[in-house]
Order: sequence, then structure tokens, then C-alpha cells
Amino acid sequence: DTAVSQTPKYLVTQMGNDKSIKCEQNLGHDTMYWYKQDSKKFLKIMFSYNNKELIINETVPNRFSPKSPDKAHLNLHINSLELGDSAVYFCASSPQESGFSTNEKLFFGSGTQLSVL
Amino acid sequence: QQQVKQSPQSLIVQKGGISIINCAYENTAFDYFPWYQQFPGKGPALLIAIRPDVSEKKEGRFTISFNKSAKQFSLHIMDSQPGDSATYFCAALMGGKLIFGQGTELSVKP
Repeated sequence: DTAVSQTPKYLVTQMGNDKSIKCEQNLGHDTMYWYKQDSKKFLKIMFSYNNKELIINETVPNRFSPKSPDKAHLNLHINSLELGDSAVYFCASSPQESGFSTNEKLFFGSGTQLSVL
Repeated sequence: QQQVKQSPQSLIVQKGGISIINCAYENTAFDYFPWYQQFPGKGPALLIAIRPDVSEKKEGRFTISFNKSAKQFSLHIMDSQPGDSATYFCAALMGGKLIFGQGTELSVKP
């Protein structure tokens, strides 16, 4: 029933560890994203994929690697976690509608709260 | 040039009052301006949106006013209700990338 689902909801880990966050959408959308929301609630795009192809790659440390096995899934793997990586990570998707700019309506998941100790 | 500046950071309104949140942008290449609403523990959800060729858009109690020459837009929530208490984000779209404002935490008191 859930449109954009991401797991886990909470992730507590030690500095230096490697962790993954999974995301799946059942809306049939072509484009998926990862956003980071910091402690001040500021939302910033990290990556976007369109039909498994990387479209947007913001200035994100290369410890962060997205992987899209198919257009319904976009996972985020983080190597060598640092204290500053603590944030809420949101997966999102959007339809591709002809006649409009693409990526207009974002459908967000409920977020993964990552705490690095 | 890709910033979207939002104010106020927080807002307290009495039930039945009008909530007003303002945003400003610099880059005239932005071509779509949505507002998102976020409740605690949830992801943001699209509330209402406007294109720069329109000066106002209304959906129920929510209205966007858009001033292209001033490069400003605002969200008005009429008859504010406690259930409207949430964080509101303005945003602007360019080149497939949605740039968000800093967010406004709205609290509507009964």
C-alpha cells in the first residue's frame, strides 16, 4: 500500500562503519532521489536517477554511493560513516509527465534517521 | 544563485487566524514553485504549487501569491487549524532539481 517505502526507519551505528538504506516505490515512477535533511530541517538533494541512470550527483562525498538495480529501487550505501553524516535521509520519486518539466511532484518516503556515534 | 530564502523560521498563530510564510529567490531560471508540508516523523508532501506565469493560486484554505518582478512568493493559510501545525517548505525547480527553502515551523494554538 505504501507508495515510497524505505528501510530501516532508524539506524544507529558507530563511526567508521558501512551501512545501507533501501528504497522502493510502487508508483511506477521513472525518477528517484535521495535527499538529506539536517538537524535544522534543511533539505538538500543528493542524487537523482531516471530509469536506473544517474542524472543528478550533487557535491556529496564519494563515501556515498547510490545504486539502482531497477527503476523501482534506489539504495544508498555509505562507507566509513562520520559523525557529520547523522541526519534524516529521504528517498523520493516523481513521475515523468509529458508536456511539463520533469520531476515536478515529489513523493517522499518517511525517512531514515541515521545516528552516527 | 540557486538559493531560496524562506521566512519566518517559526510562526505561532491562533486557531482561525491567517498564517503567512514568505519566500524569495534570485535565479530567474526557476520555473515552478511548490510548497511542501511535513509532519513530524514523515516525509514532506506536496501541498500546492504555482508557475511563474500565474500571480495567484488557491486550493481550499491554501493560497500561493506570486510576484515575478520582486522574485517573491508566499503561502497563505486561511482559517488556520491546529491540524495545520507542521513544517512548511517552499521550493523552486530548475533543471530537474528542486531547491528547498529553510523551512517554517508553524504552530496553530487552539
